[in-house]
Amino acid sequence: GAGVSQSPSNKVTEKGKDVELRCDPISGHTALYWYRQSLGQGLEFLIYFQGNSAPDKSGLPSDRFSAERTGGSVSTLTIQRTQQEDSAVYLCASSFYRGEETQYFGPGTRLLVL
Amino acid sequence: DQQVKQNSPSLSVQEGRISILNCDYTNSMFDYFLWYKKYPAEGPTFLISISSIKDKNEDGRFTVFLNKSAKHLSLHIVPSQPGDSAVYFCAASIAGTNKLVFGAGTILRVKS
Repeated sequence: GAGVSQSPSNKVTEKGKDVELRCDPISGHTALYWYRQSLGQGLEFLIYFQGNSAPDKSGLPSDRFSAERTGGSVSTLTIQRTQQEDSAVYLCASSFYRGEETQYFGPGTRLLVL
Repeated sequence: DQQVKQNSPSLSVQEGRISILNCDYTNSMFDYFLWYKKYPAEGPTFLISISSIKDKNEDGRFTVFLNKSAKHLSLHIVPSQPGDSAVYFCAASIAGTNKLVFGAGTILRVKS
């Protein structure tokens, strides 16, 4: 596809369960980002992957959150033992890495933790 | 600590008039600024950007102005159209970090 894709588009889970969110970046983009948007808030940076470099995990809110990027392409964000405050829209973006390159976003995954 | 602030949660404008969306930032290290537009149930889409070496960038109906001394930027849309109704996010980054810091967004409603 031409743009960033994410799956699932919506996820409802029970408190305490683990969830996996998937992101397919734009082909050829070496940088991949995860953000989340809680209700009424701006986008909050979570984690950044650039090529084979160690990811920048400085935005992950707790050790229940982790992400990996396999083969420099697809990424999975995992939330373990979900809490109600994890409910948000999780957005993935990708870009060419050239310092100031624009990030292109996917449609997001709406996560609701009951 | 909100480094990027959009103090107006919403703005309503008549079709054909100018829309002005404002954004303030506190981190003087920011040197690249972007505006994104977001429709419901969609991801943000890039609109326009400006580097700190400039004070104005124009693209069709959209113009972004940067006032570094005031740490303020604004997005002007003229003429406004009903299809411009969306949430507008201001974002800032430091060159080389590729990490965007977003404001909370402003809901723009353009009335026909």
